[in-house]
Amino acid sequence: EADIYQTPRYLVIGTGKKITLECSQTMGHDKMYWYQQDPGMELHLIHYSYGVNSTEKGDLSSESTVSRIRTEHFPLTLESARPSHTSQYLCASSGGVVGRATTDTQYFGPGTRLTVL
Amino acid sequence: AQSVAQPEDQVNVAEGNPLTVKCTYSVSGNPYLFWYVQYPNRGLQFLLKYITGDNLVKGSYGFEAEFNKSQTSFHLKKPSALVSDSALYFCAVRGGNTGFQKLVFGTGTRLLVSP
Repeated sequence: EADIYQTPRYLVIGTGKKITLECSQTMGHDKMYWYQQDPGMELHLIHYSYGVNSTEKGDLSSESTVSRIRTEHFPLTLESARPSHTSQYLCASSGGVVGRATTDTQYFGPGTRLTVL
Repeated sequence: AQSVAQPEDQVNVAEGNPLTVKCTYSVSGNPYLFWYVQYPNRGLQFLLKYITGDNLVKGSYGFEAEFNKSQTSFHLKKPSALVSDSALYFCAVRGGNTGFQKLVFGTGTRLLVSP
């Protein structure tokens, strides 16, 4: 197992609440990612980061926001959760240097299963 | 644009028999290819990757995959399936060009190994 952690593992909240999903990695990877996955379904990239103070939106539009103040930490925030946000959220990280071709194997955390009532 | 196709939603195999999970890809330039496995309520676990070199790649838990450039395929194989191999398997591809290249995942194939 790679050293990438997500908390909480499970979260059930009411509509309108603000939530932050935590993701941390201890591998010193420069790149980090957030994916959204419905049960047993394909992954959709919603955010990624090249490094500190860099964040980009992914392929799937998301109302969530992310920040990257420290290399090891990449939290995802929903300002006002809705039932449509119910899903599994997977965080990943990969090593390598921006501008160089690398294998960039992504390693995933265990995921946070979010349910919004 | 990069894409990955996993043509089978589910593969059923009896324990002890060989298994194959199919994957075909489309990418500009040389491909970097990956297989991941996902168990229920867990994240994805990296199994193996092809970057360059030998077309047969060996990975974790006895899995291997064969890169076929002419058929643009990267099928996952195991000589003898275990019940514990039952899980969801994802193939992924990215381009090998310099600069940031996003990883594109297939839709996943559920492997069911029966005792």
